[in-house]
Amino acid sequence: QKEVEQDPGPLSVPEGAIVSLNCTYSNSAFQYFMWYRQYSRKGPELLMYTYSSGNKEDGRFTAQVDKSSKYISLFIRDSQPSDSATYLCAMSNQAGTALIFGKGTTLSVSS
Amino acid sequence: EAGVAQSPRYKIIEKRQSVAFWCNPISGHATLYWYQQILGQGPKLLIQFQNNGVVDDSQLPKDRFSAERLKGVDSTLKIQPAKLEDSAVYLCASSFGSSGNTIYFGEGSWLTVV
Repeated sequence: QKEVEQDPGPLSVPEGAIVSLNCTYSNSAFQYFMWYRQYSRKGPELLMYTYSSGNKEDGRFTAQVDKSSKYISLFIRDSQPSDSATYLCAMSNQAGTALIFGKGTTLSVSS
Repeated sequence: EAGVAQSPRYKIIEKRQSVAFWCNPISGHATLYWYQQILGQGPKLLIQFQNNGVVDDSQLPKDRFSAERLKGVDSTLKIQPAKLEDSAVYLCASSFGSSGNTIYFGEGSWLTVV
């Protein structure tokens, strides 16, 4: 079993839809959880960062962490064509250690 | 604030040739990472530096890959000799001090080995 599992998609939705992206993980020591967005031919860009369990909201984006289920989610409300990208979940067990990434989910939002 | 700079952006080489990638992290960032991202996969850590010391190089194929970070700022990643399976994007990233949680990536160096 890989440390971080992420459905690669692709996921296609119409503009305005609510998008749900998910990752599961096996290492219960993970405490830091991130979501990165990666446009084609670009480096990953940090979108959301959460420490331990709980929710975090930033504009149209909400990140959720459920450590009891080893499950994290990213919700995108009112999706826009500009949200079309690959979304990577990433996590680490302590400060200063490198991130472990999922494979990424490719999202396409059509107008 | 300037981001993580990488060069070259694109490189095509033949197998068994060598290649070198350069990275300049965000000013003041003590921690520097090199990740390899194969098409359709997430980035995988190759090596992590704290200042000019190596923190983690457990996944670096040391028979062909080498990296250095002289003076604790810029870094160079070298591949010699290259194999077809080394075709990937090589991402440099940096973070401030020992926090390591907010990691900023460069645009990547795209390598094709033919």
